[in-house]
Amino acid sequence: DQQVKQNSPSLSVQEGRISILNCDYTNSMFDYFLWYKKYPAEGPTFLISISSIKDKNEDGRFTVFLNKSAKHLSLHIVPSQPGDSAVYFCAATGGATNKLIFGTGTLLAVQP
Amino acid sequence: GEEVAQTPKHLVRGEGQKAKLYCAPIKGHSYVFWYQQVLKNEFKFLISFQNENVFDETGMPKERFSAKCLPNSPCSLEIQATKLEDSAVYFCASSQSGRTDTQYFGPGTRLTVL
Repeated sequence: DQQVKQNSPSLSVQEGRISILNCDYTNSMFDYFLWYKKYPAEGPTFLISISSIKDKNEDGRFTVFLNKSAKHLSLHIVPSQPGDSAVYFCAATGGATNKLIFGTGTLLAVQP
Repeated sequence: GEEVAQTPKHLVRGEGQKAKLYCAPIKGHSYVFWYQQVLKNEFKFLISFQNENVFDETGMPKERFSAKCLPNSPCSLEIQATKLEDSAVYFCASSQSGRTDTQYFGPGTRLTVL
């Protein structure tokens, strides 16, 4: 039972354009969402988070949008840079636990 | 320290042998988490601690896996009698406090069971 889904295994974008990564969830108890970036042979690096009381959070080139009614969130990266090429994971938590439930990741390739 | 530290970086064990992994959380962080990444992109939660107390162990295969976080020592994850399916990257993460605090991850320990 995959509670957090990233349906696009990969995405290719030109340098300078916008990258949009999507994530869907099924559990209504989730109330805090995070995006992590991961390079090969490294641990996930935190990028940005959003609480369910908000619908948007922005940090520099990164913006996360949350649509609670659709149980959908997205990460926008603009402008995209070659150094952004990595696997991006969406994660969620909620209820009594503090564990993160991860999506299966989207491999972003930013072409120079 | 400023980063989550994990040792060793790589660990190779024969099937049936014991494996022990270590994690030093960021100084001042009260929560420690262990996750297992088996296939390339699938993370599975194992266990979390609040200081030295188990907070959530719902992900732990209890018959062979155990974990501890003792005062003034690195946290540890131990696998008794390893199996081929335990081959994975094990990540430790820590957070300062509370459920909505960001979890910061270490570089991982790659366990290979032959």
